[in-house]
Amino acid sequence: GDSVTQMEGPVTLSEEAFLTINCTYTATGYPSLFWYVQYPGEGLQLLLKATKADDKGSNKGFEATYRKETTSFHLEKGSVQVSDSAVYFCALRDNQGGKLIFGQGTELSVKP
Amino acid sequence: DTAVSQTPKYLVTQMGNDKSIKCEQNLGHDTMYWYKQDSKKFLKIMFSYNNKELIINETVPNRFSPKSPDKAHLNLHINSLELGDSAVYFCASSQDGGFSPRRLETQYFGPGTRLLVL
Repeated sequence: GDSVTQMEGPVTLSEEAFLTINCTYTATGYPSLFWYVQYPGEGLQLLLKATKADDKGSNKGFEATYRKETTSFHLEKGSVQVSDSAVYFCALRDNQGGKLIFGQGTELSVKP
Repeated sequence: DTAVSQTPKYLVTQMGNDKSIKCEQNLGHDTMYWYKQDSKKFLKIMFSYNNKELIINETVPNRFSPKSPDKAHLNLHINSLELGDSAVYFCASSQDGGFSPRRLETQYFGPGTRLLVL
């Protein structure tokens, strides 16, 4: 079945460092890909999404490009802030039932 | 205005009890979901309803029973609670059912209900 794999956390960075969180997927169809963020004690918020190959999703300085050839959707940000500390989830959604399939989450901690 | 709301936010109860979690969305969406997040933060779909009809039922014990009185509400009732049911339960909704493929639609999540079974 479909699946999503993210890099293991926790990831600890200093403020203004460059961030990459790797995400790869396995899917039989043509899924849409999402990044959600969960701040401490809160629910999930959509960060960005891409619905077809070569699409780039971007929001709040984060971006990710849908790469069909490498089945990847890596999250990047050029300069992280302390307020970016959260758990980041990569997910895919296909047309079969419409459920989201999540990666295991990557915890990011940004130090001043 | 809260788009997807859940009650209660926290729920502490004893093993063997029966409890319910309520979810409401004011987005006018057709589809609602329940997800479970375990202690390692892993998120997994439990159920999905589209216009009050069950469309996804993952391998969830029969003790869990979703109920959708209308398309804006999806409640989760849990019988005979067990220690392993302790988790955060998230409700979500999306605008499916139109001509746009499901995969294009974003799911919006509620704040979660933190259930602790003692």
